[in-house]
Amino acid sequence: DQQVKQNSPSLSVQEGRISILNCDYTNSMFDYFLWYKKYPAEGPTFLISISSIKDKNEDGRFTVFLNKSAKHLSLHIVPSQPGDSAVYFCAASPQKAGGTSYGKLTFGQGTILTVHP
Amino acid sequence: NAGVTQTPKFQVLKTGQSMTLQCAQDMNHEYMSWYRQDPGMGLRLIHYSVGAGITDQGEVPNGYNVSRSTTEDFPLRLLSAAPSQTSVYFCASSLTGDLSYNEQFFGPGTRLTVL
Repeated sequence: DQQVKQNSPSLSVQEGRISILNCDYTNSMFDYFLWYKKYPAEGPTFLISISSIKDKNEDGRFTVFLNKSAKHLSLHIVPSQPGDSAVYFCAASPQKAGGTSYGKLTFGQGTILTVHP
Repeated sequence: NAGVTQTPKFQVLKTGQSMTLQCAQDMNHEYMSWYRQDPGMGLRLIHYSVGAGITDQGEVPNGYNVSRSTTEDFPLRLLSAAPSQTSVYFCASSLTGDLSYNEQFFGPGTRLTVL
């Protein structure tokens, strides 16, 4: 049972336009959410995160939105650049320290973003 | 500061062989973990460690052993390789398991093929 789902395997966007990557989750115990970016033959790198007490977090061109009632988060990239072409993973974690799930991340399947010049 | 290093980069095994995937970090991180990435599945947690001498199972631990004798190293052992273990393996580390305060850094991965 996939607790974190990225239903779009791929997304193609023109340079300068907005990229919107979506992620849905089912486990109500998740309260911290992260996005990772992965280039071929490299490990994932952390991009941006959001706690469940917020509904939006911005970092430069990247904004993550969280809708807790819908169990949905999205990553917006504005403006998109060719260097943003990569696989994007969303991940979720229960935040409480000391619990059995402390530090464990559950990942979505990933979305391949291609930004065309 | 090399970050998280993994060896080997590529490995081909025959069914039934054993091997150890090496992972090391030089950031004095307490928390280390192993993931496998399969097509259409994202990354799945195999084992993790919250400090030297302490390890625990993740989502898909069967067929894998780990130990953490030092802060720096967290090797992953395949006792008897099976074709279902063909995957890309990533090691990761963070200062603690509280990822709301501590970034998790991933190694470059080991691509394993079991024939």
